[in-house]
Amino acid sequence: AQTVTQSQPEMSVQEAETVTLSCTYDTSESDYYLFWYKQPPSRQMILVIRQEAYKQQNATENRFSVNFQKAAKSFSLKISDSQLGDAAMYFCAYAHFGNEKLTFGTGTRLTIIP
Amino acid sequence: DTAVSQTPKYLVTQMGNDKSIKCEQNLGHDTMYWYKQDSKKFLKIMFSYNNKELIINETVPNRFSPKSPDKAHLNLHINSLELGDSAVYFCASSQLPGTDTYEQYFGPGTRLTVT
Repeated sequence: AQTVTQSQPEMSVQEAETVTLSCTYDTSESDYYLFWYKQPPSRQMILVIRQEAYKQQNATENRFSVNFQKAAKSFSLKISDSQLGDAAMYFCAYAHFGNEKLTFGTGTRLTIIP
Repeated sequence: DTAVSQTPKYLVTQMGNDKSIKCEQNLGHDTMYWYKQDSKKFLKIMFSYNNKELIINETVPNRFSPKSPDKAHLNLHINSLELGDSAVYFCASSQLPGTDTYEQYFGPGTRLTVT
């Protein structure tokens, strides 16, 4: 069974600084997706960034980028120029081709210090 | 335009009651899901339907019964509610994996409180 591990229950960062959230996963599949979802206090789940396992290039979305290390099964999220609106729970998630369910990590609560 | 909607957003009920949560998506997706988020924020898949057919049932008690009248709707009925059912329930939808734009779109969640 696939597992997703987020080892940092809480992180904090000064506004405008950079922070990296860690995620590791375990799978025997070769074709899969990895995601970072953000859940602000409104509890809405918002997709931050997606990575397809077959792509070697790391995904980027504006201030958000990932470091995808397939051999190490590591998928970290870097947030640059942190803003107050980035404060939220961040969930790493996995899904493989042919099995539609998302397997989530336990989440990292990110606090932005003004 | 609301992509995935759920009703109600809040539900407070007593133990032993039966309740339903409704979900609708207007994205034209074939697959819909129910996830449960517990008090520690852990999210876990409960069910998945593809084109009205159940494809994932993750060891959920029989008291939970999903129903999909059409591919745009997936409702969750819960019988004989227990204290441990208190959680936030999320509906989601997607196309099948295999595209560069695959993602699951989540509804706003329904916070169920059983007293």
